[in-house]
Amino acid sequence: QLQLQESGPGLVKPSETLSLTCTVSGGSISSRSNYWGWIRQPPGRGLEWIGSIYYSGTTYYNPSLKSRVTISVDTSKNQFFLNLTSVTATDTAVYYCARLPSNWNYGGFDPWGLGTLVTVSS
Amino acid sequence: DIQLTQSPSSLSASVGDRVTITCRASQIINKYLNWYQHKPGKAPRLLIYGASNLQGGVPSRFSGGGSGTEFSLTISSLQPEDSATYYCQQSYSPLSFGQGTRLEIK
Repeated sequence: QLQLQESGPGLVKPSETLSLTCTVSGGSISSRSNYWGWIRQPPGRGLEWIGSIYYSGTTYYNPSLKSRVTISVDTSKNQFFLNLTSVTATDTAVYYCARLPSNWNYGGFDPWGLGTLVTVSS
Repeated sequence: DIQLTQSPSSLSASVGDRVTITCRASQIINKYLNWYQHKPGKAPRLLIYGASNLQGGVPSRFSGGGSGTEFSLTISSLQPEDSATYYCQQSYSPLSFGQGTRLEIK
């Protein structure tokens, strides 16, 4: 059974870089059937797609975050990563990683990790 | 970019009620629309993909419909465990979610 788990610092200072890791277990991140994505939810607000990556390194980003976001993958470790630069308090959120089918027109994010809360504060 | 507008933003209903949530897209998205259930402290759960396909393991009281710009999620007989926030999500790039509908059980 495919499982995803987010990890990383729970507290990041303003203007610094937020870095998170998603570890995939129960399946290969190199599967051609899947993309992998990051989604976040600020406190009291809705879900926001951050970006997605294919095992080859092909990426798609939310235009509103594109200038600050880098998503990368390490197939040898079955992990993918999120870097968000120049963070402010508005980047405080629960960050989720999830799988997306490669033909994402006909599928949704499933499964999801449990999420990790990242707070931006000095 | 495609905007999704859900209605209502919140609703309260009783066990056994039939409940419908709608999602309107700012552009035609064919059937590229998914629905999720999200409970506090838990991971979101995919309920419906491709507008009307029930994800494996999801109870049959959940159903989805629509195409183009108008979509709906229906719960045929509301159960206590259905209390949650429901989100639609469109699958054209860039991906986006609706603002959510909070469903409370009376």
